[in-house]
Amino acid sequence: GAGVSQTPSNKVTEKGKYVELRCDPISGHTALYWYRQSLGQGPEFLIYFQGTGAADDSGLPNDRFFAVRPEGSVSTLKIQRTERGDSAVYLCASSLLRGNTGELFFGEGSRLTVL
Amino acid sequence: GQNIDQPTEMTATEGAIVQINCTYQTSGFNGLFWYQQHAGEAPTFLSYNVLDGLEEKGRFSSFLSRSKGYSYLLLKELQMKDSASYLCAVSSGGNTGKLIFGQGTTLQVKP
Repeated sequence: GAGVSQTPSNKVTEKGKYVELRCDPISGHTALYWYRQSLGQGPEFLIYFQGTGAADDSGLPNDRFFAVRPEGSVSTLKIQRTERGDSAVYLCASSLLRGNTGELFFGEGSRLTVL
Repeated sequence: GQNIDQPTEMTATEGAIVQINCTYQTSGFNGLFWYQQHAGEAPTFLSYNVLDGLEEKGRFSSFLSRSKGYSYLLLKELQMKDSASYLCAVSSGGNTGKLIFGQGTTLQVKP
């Protein structure tokens, strides 16, 4: 596709369950980012991949959160033992990192609701 | 630490001009971005400033003063479709392209 694709668009789960959120970046973009956005707030950085490796995971809130990008393209954000406070829109973005402009192209997001 | 401040809400009239301010304190600086986000949609890129001064792009302009840690987004000839959240974001350093976002300014354009 032409843009960043995220699935599912909506996910409702119960407290304590495990969820996976998928991101398919723009073809050829080596940089991939996960952000989390709560209502009325700006996106909050979670993790950055350059190729297959997590170059910066300083934004992951705790060890219940984990992300992978095994082949340097599609990425999966995994959340274990979900809590109500995890409810948010999870945004994925990709970038070519031309020069140092760092312009990010965002997907529509996955809205996670933990009951 | 990292801190980016912008007003929470603004209201303006169709056809008018509005200026949205952003101040920042970050451990590094590789550029400042403005993104537009309509309700329920993904943020989309508006502008990028890395040097001091004004960058103009159609009805939108963005200004940067690095010494003051200050930027503004200027929207001219406001249209109803400009009602959205405007996010100020700083690339804080290195070559990661990682952006630190402010909370966003919700702009409501009234007829």
